[in-house]
This record gives sequence, structure tokens and C-alpha cells, in this order.
Amino acid sequence: SAVISQKPSRDICQRGTSLTIQCQVDSQVTMMFWYRQQPGQSLTLIATANQGSEATYESGFVIDKFPISRPNLTFSTLTVSNMSPEDSSIYLCSVGRDTDTQYFGPGTRLTVL
Amino acid sequence: DAKTTQPTSMDCAEGRAANLPCNHSTISGNEYVYWYRQIHSQGPQYIIHGLKNNETNEMASLIITEDRKSSTLILPHATLRDTAVYYCIVRAPLPFNKFYFGSGTKLNVKP
Repeated sequence: SAVISQKPSRDICQRGTSLTIQCQVDSQVTMMFWYRQQPGQSLTLIATANQGSEATYESGFVIDKFPISRPNLTFSTLTVSNMSPEDSSIYLCSVGRDTDTQYFGPGTRLTVL
Repeated sequence: DAKTTQPTSMDCAEGRAANLPCNHSTISGNEYVYWYRQIHSQGPQYIIHGLKNNETNEMASLIITEDRKSSTLILPHATLRDTAVYYCIVRAPLPFNKFYFGSGTKLNVKP
């Protein structure tokens, strides 16, 4: 497994602002993904964070709203842009190596007022 | 990826075995069955996975039917700390292949 940390663990933001969430892994991994979990719902995959290239987004998610960076094999960021109350969710990163099991970070709880 | 069907919720008495079913009737030959759980909005925790044979680890056992169309996760002695949402996911072990979560089963372990 891998030790995964996310920053911040939680935040309260005003509508119209942006928040950048960091995901750090203690060892190099091949795959990094970002998920959203809206209140009372299951996890929804936002995108695959590709090292050195643009992220691959799932249907319904766009780069302008959720820009993602992955500068190396241990770190990624997700930005939630121009936030509205509907963006209030838990945002989670997950990591894996090639065909291996995925492991999840602790999540970032975002509240937008 | 094949879809899975799980009951919305289940109850289990503390100390008894919890048996969580999952149907995956359209599973492909190279797809594994994975189980994760999520305790009170924490990050999902990996439990176990398998292809054909039954699997056991320190957390749970996974029983897969011979036709692979369904499986059961068994927590042998449920405790209150096992109260969580349990997700059954099928996925082929291909590079960069993704996990798609269904709605899961809320397991309530009661004293």
C-alpha cells in the first residue's frame, strides 16, 4: 500500500473563488485519480491525473472547472474553480501502480457558501 | 466495466458474521471482484479482491460463485467499527484501468 496525504483536510470557501487541493504520496505511483463525493452519494470519478501531460476527464467534468496538475510521480493537485454551493463535496485522490489495487487518501471536505 | 448490484442496507449483530452479497452477472473473464469500505466519509479502504478462487485475508473472506456472476464478502466477527458502506467493484487489471463505484451497501452493526 501507500501513505497518501491530502491538504487541506477541510475548507469553507465563498462562491466564485477557487481552491487547490494537494495529494502527496510517500512513494512513486503510476496512477493517480481524483474523485468527488457529494453529500450522501457514492464516489464519482473526475479524472485521471497523467504525469507530464494533460489529465483525462470523465464525462461531465471539464478542465476549465477542475484543472489538474501532476508534475511528478508522487504529487498531484486538483483545483475547483469558480465555486458554487453545488461544489460542496468531499474530494478524494487515489493512487495505484500499473494493474494494482488503488488506495485512497483521507479526502478534503469542501463547503461552499 | 461490468456493473454490480448490492442491497442498499443490511443489519448485523455484533459478534456475528456479516455476509454482504454482490451480483455481477455481466462480469468478463478477466475482471476481478474488488471490495472496499468507507467508514463515515473517510477515504475508502481496500478490503480484498479475487478472480475465481475464494480469498481470505486478515479482514475478510471473499466467496465467488463458480459461474462468477455473484460474490459474498464475509466479515467473520462483525464489530461496531465495521459499520460502514461496502462497495463491490469489478475491474479488469489493465494498466490505468479505473474503479467506478456503485451505490454500495450500508452495513449497520448493532450491539
